[in-house]
Amino acid sequence: EAQVTQNPRYLITVTGKKLTVTCSQNMNHEYMSWYRQDPGLGLRQIYYSMNVEVTDKGDVPEGYKVSRKEKRNFPLILESPSPNQTSLYFCASNRLAGNNEQFFGPGTRLTVL
Amino acid sequence: DAKTTQPTSMDCAEGRAANLPCNHSTISGNEYVYWYRQIHSQGPQYIIHGLKNNETNEMASLIITEDRKSSTLILPHATLRDTAVYYCIVRVESGYSTLTFGKGTMLLVSP
Repeated sequence: EAQVTQNPRYLITVTGKKLTVTCSQNMNHEYMSWYRQDPGLGLRQIYYSMNVEVTDKGDVPEGYKVSRKEKRNFPLILESPSPNQTSLYFCASNRLAGNNEQFFGPGTRLTVL
Repeated sequence: DAKTTQPTSMDCAEGRAANLPCNHSTISGNEYVYWYRQIHSQGPQYIIHGLKNNETNEMASLIITEDRKSSTLILPHATLRDTAVYYCIVRVESGYSTLTFGKGTMLLVSP
């Protein structure tokens, strides 16, 4: 089944404790991205990647890092999480050609205390 | 990308057609109209997209006005599982182009 998976789905952590949210897709998509969703602010893009070893900042990149060492994986790294990074996070992927339908993962709900 | 305007919320009876409007008066000639939906706290799901011709797939129909300044997403027989936030997005058809989600329309389908 074609899908985007994220882990963990839920995470409660404390300020300053480094964490990584993994994202993997099995559709051989070139483009991958991370969004965060907050009440009243909608979905905002954090980082995106157009292919292996190619990443770029989205609208709200501060406090986040990403890497794209393999085509299928696009982890989101929070080196020193803070409470304002409490949010619902979505990973997404799509092909660069064709209708560019973007496939989203199930989401990761992160709480930083 | 052009901005869109959608009603904040709409109601629909189960089994009836749901017609969700979207205004995009500043749309450019190379921009498509995309529709996504998000069921509560799940990842958004692609529904349909089009340039200027009407489009239909297994989920919905998309009607775009001749001047392309507005469109309507039609769910022909709404079910309770169609309750979701529906997003109308205007963008070029490019895998490099970011999806910019607005506030969308909250569609509530009732028995």
